Amino acid sequence: DTGVSQNPRHKITKRGQNVTFRCDPISEHNRLYWYRQTLGQGPEFLTYFQNEAQLEKSRLLSDRFSAERPKGSFSTLEIQRTEQGDSAMYLCASSLGSGNNYGYTFGSGTRLTVV
Amino acid sequence: GNSVTQMEGPVTLSEEAFLTINCTYTATGYPSLFWYVQYPGEGLQLLLKATKADDKGSNKGFEATYRKETTSFHLEKGSVQVSDSAVYFCALSSFGNEKLTFGTGTRLTIIP
Repeated sequence: DTGVSQNPRHKITKRGQNVTFRCDPISEHNRLYWYRQTLGQGPEFLTYFQNEAQLEKSRLLSDRFSAERPKGSFSTLEIQRTEQGDSAMYLCASSLGSGNNYGYTFGSGTRLTVV
Repeated sequence: GNSVTQMEGPVTLSEEAFLTINCTYTATGYPSLFWYVQYPGEGLQLLLKATKADDKGSNKGFEATYRKETTSFHLEKGSVQVSDSAVYFCALSSFGNEKLTFGTGTRLTIIP
């Protein structure tokens, strides 16, 4: 098991373009989380899945953002019509069950720069 | 709502010094408390956790005690090493709520 894998590591895009990030959780983990971390701040929760069901979304997740986990394994986060304010590190985490009990394992993140 | 307040950094210490990074929280109910560490170029790693009052989490020489009366979870280490240089995040999650709430992070630099 190689832990939580995120791709790409870095993405530079022009304002207005769409981008998609991928997260592969630890294989037996049924819960998957997305966070956003801006410079000098702690990560902020975006959304989470239990298997393929998206159970909670933050109000940070505007209608330009969409996340999927179609088969309960990997997940994608898409940002449409990117804005400079979307520049951040996007982190994925997974847990075996409730993260409160089992803890959360984070990936190395995808750094997005919107120019 | 939940919130975490961390000691502002950056913090610079000499090798073998004693470390304290303060963390206080506001939460409904009885949260679980965590310290995460982020080494340069790497993802967040769980350093330690505590799930109920008076629990002490410990790992790699670091310790933190869940203090309900002072709503605190301060991180301590008796003798720091250069390899401890990283950003440290205090975080909490509430029972029945799957999201972690993080503090802003404290950058620690240890000089030889």
